[in-house]
Amino acid sequence: NAGVTQTPKFRILKIGQSMTLQCTQDMNHNYMYWYRQDPGMGLKLIYYSVGAGITDKGEVPNGYNVSRSTTEDFPLRLELAAPSQTSVYFCASRGRISNQPQHFGDGTRLSIL
Amino acid sequence: TQLLEQSPQFLSIQEGENLTVYCNSSSVFSSLQWYRQEPGEGPVLLVTVVTGGEVKKLKRLTFQFGDARKDSSLHITAAQPGDTGLYLCVRSGGGSEKLVFGKGTKLTVNP
Repeated sequence: NAGVTQTPKFRILKIGQSMTLQCTQDMNHNYMYWYRQDPGMGLKLIYYSVGAGITDKGEVPNGYNVSRSTTEDFPLRLELAAPSQTSVYFCASRGRISNQPQHFGDGTRLSIL
Repeated sequence: TQLLEQSPQFLSIQEGENLTVYCNSSSVFSSLQWYRQEPGEGPVLLVTVVTGGEVKKLKRLTFQFGDARKDSSLHITAAQPGDTGLYLCVRSGGGSEKLVFGKGTKLTVNP
């Protein structure tokens, strides 16, 4: 059972480049999330989705975009990468009940130089 | 913003010692979750507590939810190097789509 799969695991970008972080889940979960985790900090919510075709901003959405065309996939797009976006990015999903566990991927480590 | 305060921020102990970490909020939790994040991996759920005063045990880990549902503690007995990780307290439930994470307690258990 794959769970939540994130690709790539590592990436180095130059300032101003763009890229898409991929996330897919095979648990048929409606809810999906993107977080970033900076050193010494907890997780901050970037965007989330409650189902295909529906997305909403989290705490730190600036500089990012998302789409949710299918239940399984929730890609995160960085446009015009900036050094402040250097971080570890985690995708997560959960079922319908709000205190069910969120299942996390292993993260994408992104450096902007 | 419903802030979660976790303490201590860092903890380094020897194998076999006991420890307690804390999570506090100024507002009531609908429910509270504890996650553990090991280096290089995503967080994994350890427990969800819902009822004030609730105590749950997971092998050597004991989780307690405060009577007023504003605080929680995690006690580890006879810590082992495999317990090393970042322990995250998370506000959940209440019909919200979103979780609110504390900054975590980074635990290192030395052999």
